[in-house]
Amino acid sequence: QQPVQSPQAVILREGEDAVINCSSSKALYSVHWYRQKHGEAPVFLMILLKGGEQKGHEKISASFNEKKQQSSLYLTASQLSYSGTYFCGTETQPGTASKLTFGTGTRLQVTL
Amino acid sequence: GAVVSQHPSRVICKSGTSVKIECRSLDFQATTMFWYRQFPKQSLMLMATSNEGSKATYEQGVEKDKFLINHASLTLSTLTVTSAHPEDSSFYICSARVRVPTDTQYFGPGTRLTVL
Repeated sequence: QQPVQSPQAVILREGEDAVINCSSSKALYSVHWYRQKHGEAPVFLMILLKGGEQKGHEKISASFNEKKQQSSLYLTASQLSYSGTYFCGTETQPGTASKLTFGTGTRLQVTL
Repeated sequence: GAVVSQHPSRVICKSGTSVKIECRSLDFQATTMFWYRQFPKQSLMLMATSNEGSKATYEQGVEKDKFLINHASLTLSTLTVTSAHPEDSSFYICSARVRVPTDTQYFGPGTRLTVL
């Protein structure tokens, strides 16, 4: 069963903040975040491995609550270039045989 | 970051024909590649895991005789959609995973398949 993301879609004005959530029904080993623009391949943003770990990448950061089987992506002072669909990808175990299950996706549109 | 290429980027074919899509890792070796399918405005659905030198592992519900995967070398995996039908029309994306220095999955640019 794929992780559920919320919200499904969000529209922001440039400079506003947003939070995208990813919730799994299974215990997680890691969470990966990607952004995909229309007609293009997903682009890797970051990976989170430990419970409670938080990572940052410029104005985009994420947290991973292992106990709640949830991850959140934080977009601050959004820019037009942030527009796209965001996907979380989850793993339930480590190892070379492990594969990602992608979430339902969140469409983000940043306007002037 | 690592680069993954796909060819062709777009293909239109007649119903009943077979289509081959190539996925290459350009600057690294990939023992494992993944093939995804994505319908408009939907998420990526894993079809199969391609393993160099051995048989691919297919996800439940994916017909292995329909979607033939060959991983002949450490830099090339191919997906052949056999006897394609209109319902096979989709966006097909491959990816390769790199473990160091950061565990990352790099995606190819995707192939838009339209079956008439």
